[in-house]
Amino acid sequence: DVKVTQSSRYLVKRTGEKVFLECVQDMDHENMFWYRQDPGLGLRLIYFSYDVKMKEKGDIPEGYSVSREKKERFSLILESASTNQTSMYLCASSLSGASGAKNDMGYFGAGTRLSVL
Amino acid sequence: AQSVSQHNHHVILSEAASLELGCNYSYGGTVNLFWYVQYPGQHLQLLLKYFSGDPLVKGIKGFEAEFIKSKFSFNLRKPSVQWSDTAEYFCAVNALNTGNQFYFGTGTSLTVIP
Repeated sequence: DVKVTQSSRYLVKRTGEKVFLECVQDMDHENMFWYRQDPGLGLRLIYFSYDVKMKEKGDIPEGYSVSREKKERFSLILESASTNQTSMYLCASSLSGASGAKNDMGYFGAGTRLSVL
Repeated sequence: AQSVSQHNHHVILSEAASLELGCNYSYGGTVNLFWYVQYPGQHLQLLLKYFSGDPLVKGIKGFEAEFIKSKFSFNLRKPSVQWSDTAEYFCAVNALNTGNQFYFGTGTSLTVIP
C-alpha cells in the first residue's frame, strides 16, 4: 500500500519559532509537493520538488523554505512562525511520466494541522 | 495566472438525488484533470483523472466526470448519491508546460441527507 507519511498530525508552536514539517513517501516518486489548505481557499501550493536537492516556488512561498536531501523526504520549514501560518499542511507525491504528460497526482499525506500562537 | 473555479461552495442533497459539481479552469494549453474527495477527518483521495482519450472518465464509487475542452470544464457527476458521499470535493488541473504545477479549486462541500 502506497504511503505518504507526515510526521505530525497536530502541532502547536509559538510565534517566532522555527518549525519543521516532515514528509516521507515510500513510492520512489520523483515529485513532491507542499500545500496548505484553508477554508474557502482550497489547496494552495507552497513549494514543490522534482528531484533531490531541487525545489521550485509555488504560489505562496513567502515565509517558507524546503529541503529535499533524499528522494523520499521533503521537509517544509517555517523560519519564523507567524499566526497567519496557522493552517492544515498537506504533503503530496507523484510519479513523472515521459515529458511530464502522465503526472499522477494521486497521493496525499494525512495532513499536519499547525497552530501558531 | 491560472485558476480553477468551483462555483458551488455548498451543496445539500437528499439520498438518491443526482449530483453534478462544476469545475472550470482558465488554462488554454494541454491539461491533465483530477477530482479529489476528502471525507470528514480523512486525507485527500483521488476520485478520478483525465489525461487523454475518452472525455468521459469513470472513477471510484460510481463517480464520473466529463471533459469538455471547448468549455474548459470538467464537471463531476453521480447519478444517485448516498449519505456516505458527504465530503468535500476538489477539482485540480495540471497545466502542462507550466512547470507541472497543480492548481486546485476552492472545494465544494457536499452534504447528503438520509
